[in-house]
Amino acid sequence: SQQGEEDPQALSIQEGENATMNCSYKTSINNLQWYRQNSGRGLVHLILIRSNEREKHSGRLRVTLDTSKKSSSLLITASRAADTASYFCATGGTYKYIFGTGTRLKVLA
Amino acid sequence: GAVVSQHPSWVICKSGTSVKIECRSLDFQATTMFWYRQFPKQSLMLMATSNEGSKATYEQGVEKDKFLINHASLTLSTLTVTSAHPEDSSFYICSASADAGRTSYEQYFGPGTRLTVT
Repeated sequence: SQQGEEDPQALSIQEGENATMNCSYKTSINNLQWYRQNSGRGLVHLILIRSNEREKHSGRLRVTLDTSKKSSSLLITASRAADTASYFCATGGTYKYIFGTGTRLKVLA
Repeated sequence: GAVVSQHPSWVICKSGTSVKIECRSLDFQATTMFWYRQFPKQSLMLMATSNEGSKATYEQGVEKDKFLINHASLTLSTLTVTSAHPEDSSFYICSASADAGRTSYEQYFGPGTRLTVT
């Protein structure tokens, strides 16, 4: 399969808790991006991390990248009900992006 | 940030007809555009990559005669679903990159087009 793998496939947490999603990929990359998608809607770009970066922050988001393990994680701190969505990683190889299978996050109020 | 638009946002068509979806980069020149499809509750699957002025490169399993892609200018790419059938019903998303066929830079996504074939 061309897709990367994300785990967990689904995650349900209480509001205020942290949510961690992981993404593993198979080939070398130039960068990795995380996206959010609300049900039936388009993609919202969250953060891009380049292959020479190890960690990046944006507001309540923290992304790490371990190129030796070919994996990345997305941490959402102090989650809110509005964070309920599907989250995808997309790995940028030489000529194209490959999307992960996605994690469906549900934040309970 | 860079903006990519798609038109229409949704379309319903009868089986056997053709449907054209437009993808435009509004404030930058998109050397490369990508077309994805997404089935309900699934991830995005890359269909094809198009570079301005050249033929699109299709992913394995994607019928190039069924999904016609034209990247006629640096701001416009079109995807035409020919002789559409109900199994073509899906969410089609385009993205654009200012980089010439490489992914060193971000790709910017359009809002998607929901196609329903009856």
